[in-house]
Amino acid sequence: NAGVTQTPKFQVLKTGQSMTLQCAQDMNHEYMSWYRQDPGMGLRLIHYSVGAGITDQGEVPNGYNVSRSTTEDFPLRLLSAAPSQTSVYFCASSYSNNYEQYFGPGTRLTVT
Amino acid sequence: AQSVAQPEDQVNVAEGNPLTVKCTYSVSGNPYLFWYVQYPNRGLQFLLKYITGDNLVKGSYGFEAEFNKSQTSFHLKKPSALVSDSALYFCAVSYTGANNLFFGTGTRLTVIP
Repeated sequence: NAGVTQTPKFQVLKTGQSMTLQCAQDMNHEYMSWYRQDPGMGLRLIHYSVGAGITDQGEVPNGYNVSRSTTEDFPLRLLSAAPSQTSVYFCASSYSNNYEQYFGPGTRLTVT
Repeated sequence: AQSVAQPEDQVNVAEGNPLTVKCTYSVSGNPYLFWYVQYPNRGLQFLLKYITGDNLVKGSYGFEAEFNKSQTSFHLKKPSALVSDSALYFCAVSYTGANNLFFGTGTRLTVIP
């Protein structure tokens, strides 16, 4: 199993540009989540999904959209990037709500 | 509402000595508690969790944690630290389950040879 994969590893955007961060898992996990990690702030939940077709907002959802059309994929979309979205983004998945999450390697995003 | 506090940004310990990384939490209802570790330029790796059952939880790499409901704490411990334990440690809590976690700000553990 590849586990949780994220692409790209690094990305630089200009303010106002849009992009999609890709996340895929091959463990048949129902639950998937997106977090951002900022220095001194730990990880904060952006959006999460409890299954295909079902998504919900986390702690910091503004400026981000998600969809879950398949069990395997959970892309995160930035519609109009802002410097405040400069961060490291982690995708995670888990089998169910009582099980630990598996994290991807992260995407480092810089918005100038 | 839920929150996690890791009161120490940095913990230094000599190799072979016991280590403790502190975590206190605030949550409505019964907590789901987790510890994760992050090595440089890597994603988070799961160490251990408490959902229900015994208050003393044993996890990966010889780590353990004790759930203390009265003190709302979930401190991470290891009897004998290794240099390879040096990393960033995160405590996380939820009241709705493992997929809606609130993370602490992290504690950087340095084990000195």
